[in-house]
Amino acid sequence: QVQLQESGPGLVRPSETLSLTCTVSGGSISHYYWSWIRQPPGKGLEWIAYINFSGNTNSKSSLKSRVTISVDTSKNQFSLKLSSVTAADTAVYYCARHGLDTGNYQAYFQYWGQGALVTVSS
Amino acid sequence: QSALTQPASVSGSPGQSITISCTGTSSDVGRYNHVSWYQQYPGKVPELMIYEGSKRPAGVSNRFSGSKSGNTASLTISGLQAEDEADYYCCSYVDSVTFVIFGGGTKLTVL
Repeated sequence: QVQLQESGPGLVRPSETLSLTCTVSGGSISHYYWSWIRQPPGKGLEWIAYINFSGNTNSKSSLKSRVTISVDTSKNQFSLKLSSVTAADTAVYYCARHGLDTGNYQAYFQYWGQGALVTVSS
Repeated sequence: QSALTQPASVSGSPGQSITISCTGTSSDVGRYNHVSWYQQYPGKVPELMIYEGSKRPAGVSNRFSGSKSGNTASLTISGLQAEDEADYYCCSYVDSVTFVIFGGGTKLTVL
């Protein structure tokens, strides 16, 4: 069974960079797409970015200028960096593995990490 | 790209059937059959319930079903049980640039 675990600081100062890592166990990071999704307190889900084992990436247009996503296949990990954070970036951040679907869109999230609450505050 | 539109809340009694709608546009929900649905209990991790519009992952009860008509996708839960009380989110593929968008979520209350 694939398991994902987020790690990183729970508190980030405004204007600094949020950094999170997702460690994948129970399966290889190869052959799938991997995403970061966030959920502000009391609000809905928001897709942030994805990466695949080849390093192909995409991110939400409104966040693109601040997002860096990377993969380390030797460690079975992928990471998120979000720069110039504000209070609006306070959220639970989930890492997730995409599922395989018809046509290889991989447009759904089959496995999720437990989530990491990141608070932006001085 | 705006979020998909879901009702803020729906409710039903045990044993009944309920349907949660997810309305998009001809550029997302209406164009592809790549809508997924997630169940989330308070403080817990979202769980995939439906993918590709109507497919159920292994282990998901067959009381959950998905469908689509035009620009609106729907999640139907039959034989409602107390344990179904949760938030439900839809998600649709848009295109290779935008990728996916989520609905705002629907709180299901089992009366």
